[in-house]
Parts: sequence; structure tokens; C-alpha cells
Amino acid sequence: QVQLVESGGGVVQPGRSLRLSCAASGFTFSSFAMHWVRQAPGKGMEWVALIWSDGSKKYSADSVKGRFTISRDNSKNTLYMQMNNLRAEDTAVYYCARDINPDIPLYYVDYWGQGTLVTVAS
Amino acid sequence: QSALTQPPSASGSPGQSVTISCTGTSSDVGTYNYVSWYQHHPGKAPKLMIYEVIKRPSGVPDRFSGSKSGNTASLTVSGLQAEDEADYFCSSYATSDKVLFGGGTKLTVL
Repeated sequence: QVQLVESGGGVVQPGRSLRLSCAASGFTFSSFAMHWVRQAPGKGMEWVALIWSDGSKKYSADSVKGRFTISRDNSKNTLYMQMNNLRAEDTAVYYCARDINPDIPLYYVDYWGQGTLVTVAS
Repeated sequence: QSALTQPPSASGSPGQSVTISCTGTSSDVGTYNYVSWYQHHPGKAPKLMIYEVIKRPSGVPDRFSGSKSGNTASLTVSGLQAEDEADYFCSSYATSDKVLFGGGTKLTVL
């Protein structure tokens, strides 16, 4: 069965960096685009970024552009999110999620991880 | 781009039907049929309930249905059951390779 397990969350000071990982199993990771989605406390979901299956294309929300970088290592079945210059408003549970369609993303997801909490505070 | 608009809460008694709306713009819901709905029990992974406006993944009861009119998509849950109580949120593809989510609706089964 499809499993997505996020790690790397924690408490970090404003302006510092953090790298999230998402270990995938139960499917051919290299065939699917992957997303990061976050949910701030008491707020709705916010899409953060998408990376195509081969890593050739990446898209991100305006709120994180220039600070967050999505990447993947298909040999390790792992998705990453490098988060730099973190702000208080980045505090959220971060989910990795699989795009529903192999190869060409359709920009919605069918499987989600359980999430990892990132808290940005001094 | 702003998030899609959902009512914060909805409720119904067992056996009744309830409809949750998701309002966007002509740059997202109104133009693209890539609208999906998710059920989320806090602390658990969200579950895809509807995709491409009206399609149900295998295993999702046919009590759940989706529709769209103009810039507004809707999720209808018929024959409400206690286990349907959860948060529901919508998402849509938006122009320029973006994804928008709704703020979420807490469904209460009375």
C-alpha cells in the first residue's frame, strides 16, 4: 500500500533553515509528481510546491518562492523540502502528497502523509 | 491568488443530505475541471473523496457526490452517517501551475 512518511520537522528560530524529508513506499515513486502542502494552526490547507516525476519542472506558491526549494531523489524514493529564511507564518503541519496521475501531474493528490510539524519561534 | 471559499461549518442529522460549497473564480474552479474534495479527520492523513469534479475513487461510498456550476463546486453527502463527521476541504488547479485549497468545512452529524 502507498505510504508517505514525513520527517525533519521541529522548532526553529526565525531566519534559520530546515529540511523536510518524505520517504515513499508502496508505489513507483519515480513515476509520480509530488506535492508539499501545509496547514497552519487553525487554518485551511495551503499548497506549497510541486515537482514533476523526473524533477524537470518545479512550481511553488508565491508565499514561499525564493525561500523554499522542492527536490527529490528517485534512487532513494525520497522527496525533500529545503526551507530557508523561515518566518513565523511558516509555522504549520507540512504534508507530502502524491499527484493522482503518473508522469503528467493533474495538480491534485490521492495519497497524503501524516504530516510533520514545523514551528518557527524565537 | 486567494484560497477557495467554503462555509466554516455544516451539519445534518443521520440519514439527511448536506451540501458543502466551494467558491473560486474564473481562474480556477470556473475554468478547470480539476476540482477535488478531501475528508480529513484531525491527526490522520486526508482522504480523497471526489476528483475531477464528479469522479469517486474506488472504495468511496456513492453517498458522496460532486458537482460544479460556474465558479462554485459542491460536495453532497447523502444518507449522513456518524462516521461522516470530519473536516472537508476542496482544491482546484489554478492558472499558472498552482493549486488552491478551500479553508475547510467542519461537518457535524447531529
